[in-house]
Amino acid sequence: NAGVMQNPRHLVRRRGQEARLRCSPMKGHSHVYWYRQLPEEGLKFMVYLQKENIIDESGMPKERFSAEFPKEGPSILRIQQVVRGDSAAYFCASSQIAGNTEAFFGQGTRLTVV
Amino acid sequence: AQSVTQLGSHVSVSEGALVLLRCNYSSSVPPYLFWYVQYPNQGLQLLLKYTTGATLVKGINGFEAEFKKSETSFHLTKPSAHMSDAAEYFCAWAGNTGNQFYFGTGTSLTVIP
Repeated sequence: NAGVMQNPRHLVRRRGQEARLRCSPMKGHSHVYWYRQLPEEGLKFMVYLQKENIIDESGMPKERFSAEFPKEGPSILRIQQVVRGDSAAYFCASSQIAGNTEAFFGQGTRLTVV
Repeated sequence: AQSVTQLGSHVSVSEGALVLLRCNYSSSVPPYLFWYVQYPNQGLQLLLKYTTGATLVKGINGFEAEFKKSETSFHLTKPSAHMSDAAEYFCAWAGNTGNQFYFGTGTSLTVIP
């Protein structure tokens, strides 16, 4: 049973470009959570999704950021018109049941904006 | 605001010495508490968690933590540090809704040979 898979592991984007981060949850998991880790900081919650639904996006920046978890395929975190401040590690976690007490984390995507 | 606080952003111990990483939570309801470890350029790995029941929780790699409601603490300990324990450690609380973790700012553990 593969773990939570995130790709790419490293992503470099120029300012103004779009970044797409993918997360494939563990088999049988229908709940996905995205976190952002800025340098020298802990992880900060961004969004919680179930299949085709956004449950909690209280941590998402109001502009440029969006997330989806379609019926088929991975969850996508999309950042439009990236800026230097978006450089961070983005982690995805998944769980089988609602409430992330049994969440498993992926290895993250490290986004660098140049 | 409800949160977790990790005291000490950097901790150094000698190999074989006791490891103590501190975490205090701020919550008016019984919390679900977790410790995660992060190795360089890796994701988070669950060390242990407290939900209900026994307050002394044993995890992987010889780590354990004790939930102390009277002190609102959930400190992580290991009797004897190993070089492979060098990593970043995060305390986390599963918030009231269960929709997200609230993470502490992390403690970087260095093990000195």
